[in-house]
Amino acid sequence: QQQVKQSPQSLIVQKGGISIINCAYENTAFDYFPWYQQFPGKGPALLIAIRPDVSEKKEGRFTISFNKSAKQFSLHIMDSQPGDSATYFCAASLGGFKTIFGAGTRLFVKA
Amino acid sequence: DSGVTQTPKHLITATGQRVTLRCSPRSGDLSVYWYQQSLDQGLQFLIQYYNGEERAKGNILERFSAQQFPDLHSELNLSSLELGDSALYFCASSYLTGGQNEQFFGPGTRLTVL
Repeated sequence: QQQVKQSPQSLIVQKGGISIINCAYENTAFDYFPWYQQFPGKGPALLIAIRPDVSEKKEGRFTISFNKSAKQFSLHIMDSQPGDSATYFCAASLGGFKTIFGAGTRLFVKA
Repeated sequence: DSGVTQTPKHLITATGQRVTLRCSPRSGDLSVYWYQQSLDQGLQFLIQYYNGEERAKGNILERFSAQQFPDLHSELNLSSLELGDSALYFCASSYLTGGQNEQFFGPGTRLTVL
């Protein structure tokens, strides 16, 4: 019940295309859903986050879509750029404690 | 730069040994988290401390222990090391305001057990 399932494991997208990463969770008590971006040799960094009372949040080219009834959320990267090539982690948190991360998606954007 | 510092950057040791990883959180952050990242396991939450007290525990082995000191820095102790403990160990910190919990990650310590 504490798992966050993330797919796909890896993703190759052409420059200018849309990258879509999906996550699913079980525990309906989770109240905060962040996405982290990690470049090689660096620690993860917060990209964008959403609360379950919101169905969509957009920041620049990054959008989170949240489906509470399906217990799923996804990250959309519009106009994907080679600089977006990184590993993306979805996560779910309960009251600020014990954040559970998905397994990660390696995104490669071809120039 | 996240403002979280971790030392050492790299650590090479032998099986059976004991090591200590150190983390200094961002100024003002009260909460410290430890994660283990290996190639096949992704980011595994180990343990969280808040203002010196343990607040949440994840998949932390009994051979591992941690603590947060009065100055809020934290140490992760790994003992009786095994080959499978080789991984990147990340520390993260946050201020922790209710349910919203942006964590700031340090650069990590790469542990290699030979």
